[in-house]
Amino acid sequence: DARVTQTPRHKVTEMGQEVTMRCQPILGHNTVFWYRQTMMQGLELLAYFRNRAPLDDSGMPKDRFSAEMPDATLATLKIQPSEPRDSAVYFCASGSSNRDYEQYFGPGTRLTVT
Amino acid sequence: GQSLEQPSEVTAVEGAIVQINCTYQTSGFYGLSWYQQHDGGAPTFLSYNALDGLEETGRFSSFLSRSDSYGYLLLQELQMKDSASYFCAALYGQNFVFGPGTRLSVLP
Repeated sequence: DARVTQTPRHKVTEMGQEVTMRCQPILGHNTVFWYRQTMMQGLELLAYFRNRAPLDDSGMPKDRFSAEMPDATLATLKIQPSEPRDSAVYFCASGSSNRDYEQYFGPGTRLTVT
Repeated sequence: GQSLEQPSEVTAVEGAIVQINCTYQTSGFYGLSWYQQHDGGAPTFLSYNALDGLEETGRFSSFLSRSDSYGYLLLQELQMKDSASYFCAALYGQNFVFGPGTRLSVLP
């Protein structure tokens, strides 16, 4: 059945290292969202793409985070350099542009930065 | 800024009915979604309201009152598997804002 996939599922890295998270949206979906979830801040929208073009990345720290969609089947979120405060679960979600409110979430990447 | 408020925790017994409230800020508001998240899992979509009134989907219903900037999720015939966190999420233009979540515990 169709679902959003994310890799890796878990990542432990040292402060200062580069981290790349990948997401494959559901085939046919043209909107992709990146979220970060922590106990303190809850679910925060980091970036939002429609038809591979960034619509909103105001929630993303620009100095170290970047998000791209090289093609319709791949979205990436990169952190360089990583810091301990980046430790969180990062979710990717996809949807259709006429139903942006109905998002299908991937299983998440649990990132730990030591 | 755009923020939503929800109760942090709700407890109910199996078979009961529970209502989870959500208040939001009006400026730029388009609609309200509800998501369920089990521990260790990903959020899953439950319902969406753009207009005032009640939307029913099986045991779950969602209500919106735009004049009161308020909505709620109603869960009926509670089951143990309904124990999870429930998030309201508001659509503001091209921005989605999630509420802090309500942790529902269903007791036998």
